Amino acid sequence: GEDVEQSLFLSVREGDSSVINCTYTDSSSTYLYWYKQEPGAGLQLLTYIFSNMDMKQDQRLTVLLNKKDKHLSLRIADTQTGDSAIYFCALKGGYNKLIFGAGTRLAVHP
Amino acid sequence: NAGVMQNPRHLVRRRGQEARLRCSPMKGHSHVYWYRQLPEEGLKFMVYLQKENIIDESGMPKERFSAEFPKEGPSILRIQQVVRGDSAAYFCASSPPVAPETQYFGPGTRLLVL
Repeated sequence: GEDVEQSLFLSVREGDSSVINCTYTDSSSTYLYWYKQEPGAGLQLLTYIFSNMDMKQDQRLTVLLNKKDKHLSLRIADTQTGDSAIYFCALKGGYNKLIFGAGTRLAVHP
Repeated sequence: NAGVMQNPRHLVRRRGQEARLRCSPMKGHSHVYWYRQLPEEGLKFMVYLQKENIIDESGMPKERFSAEFPKEGPSILRIQQVVRGDSAAYFCASSPPVAPETQYFGPGTRLLVL
């Protein structure tokens, strides 16, 4: 079955860039997503990329997709304390269901 | 345009009771998905419904769990005879028919089974 792996923790200094990585096994996914979850809240769709793209940029967010290595990354430029949250990588599976990684907890410190 | 609404936000049940979780999708959205999040884990797909139809229930436990999305009213996830292992956050998401690949999530219902 599909598998999505993420590192569990990332700590960065305020103002630095954060890079959150994700690897997956199912190469047939047409859409790949990044969601953000703040404590006690639901998931906020940050951005998504279609599988025929290599890169997508949206303000401070840059998504890179390496299909050969089955690797997806999310770069947050000029990271702020408000970016502290859990970030989930997800892939579109059959019948539109999303397959999530376990999440990367981003901590931003001064 | 209000977002996906879920209620209750918190639900406490004793073992053996029933839990009913409700989800109202965003206006114009006819696709509803339910996911479960265990503590310190990612979300796991449970079921995908369209109005009056279950499209994919491959993630639903075989017993005690059921879901519906009637022609009128919210989608309901029902858990009968709850056990402590059912304690989790249950999230609903919805998507529009023209862009089913884009799912928007509700705030979740946190179920605690005592």
